[in-house]
Amino acid sequence: GENVEQHPSTLSVQEGDSAVIKCTYSDSASNYFPWYKQELGKRPQLIIDIRSNVGEKKDQRIAVTLNKTAKHFSLHITETQPEDSAVYFCAASGSYQLTFGKGTKLSVIP
Amino acid sequence: NAGVTQTPKFRILKIGQSMTLQCTQDMNHNYMYWYRQDPGMGLKLIYYSVGAGITDKGEVPNGYNVSRSTTEDFPLRLELAAPSQTSVYFCASSYGQVDEQYFGPGTRLTVT
Repeated sequence: GENVEQHPSTLSVQEGDSAVIKCTYSDSASNYFPWYKQELGKRPQLIIDIRSNVGEKKDQRIAVTLNKTAKHFSLHITETQPEDSAVYFCAASGSYQLTFGKGTKLSVIP
Repeated sequence: NAGVTQTPKFRILKIGQSMTLQCTQDMNHNYMYWYRQDPGMGLKLIYYSVGAGITDKGEVPNGYNVSRSTTEDFPLRLELAAPSQTSVYFCASSYGQVDEQYFGPGTRLTVT
């Protein structure tokens, strides 16, 4: 089955700096790569996703890049704000199942 | 739309007891999922359903059962609860096979 590795597990940045979270996956058949944000005690919510026919996607301060050859994808958050503090999960899917990474706890220091 | 709703929000079970976690969605999604989230870990798929009457096992199905008699409802049954089932349980739904999954608010279950 699919295996998703996510790094780093924790990340602290100063407000206004950029944050990068990286994930690798094992199944070359995976073709959908979402990123979820989970605030403390809340449900996961989709922030951005990318499909295998696209190399990069942006939405305001958030961008995701995908390298299918190397089987890795990354989340980039620019101009970080305190409200970006949360746990971020990457995931990969080739069929019905999403396989999640273990998460990155991002702390944005004011 | 209420989206995905789950009940109860919290529950404490004794070892060996059984319970059903309820999940309902009002978005007419065909696909529904049950995940568990242990502290410091990602979400692990327990069971999923691609439509009414069709269910299949995920990564960690042992100790759980599901049914899907309607499009809206996807209950998760725990039989003979064990401490290893202490976790937060999330239900989710999606329109298509590889579309955004919408999560419910979760059920925090403790088995002692």
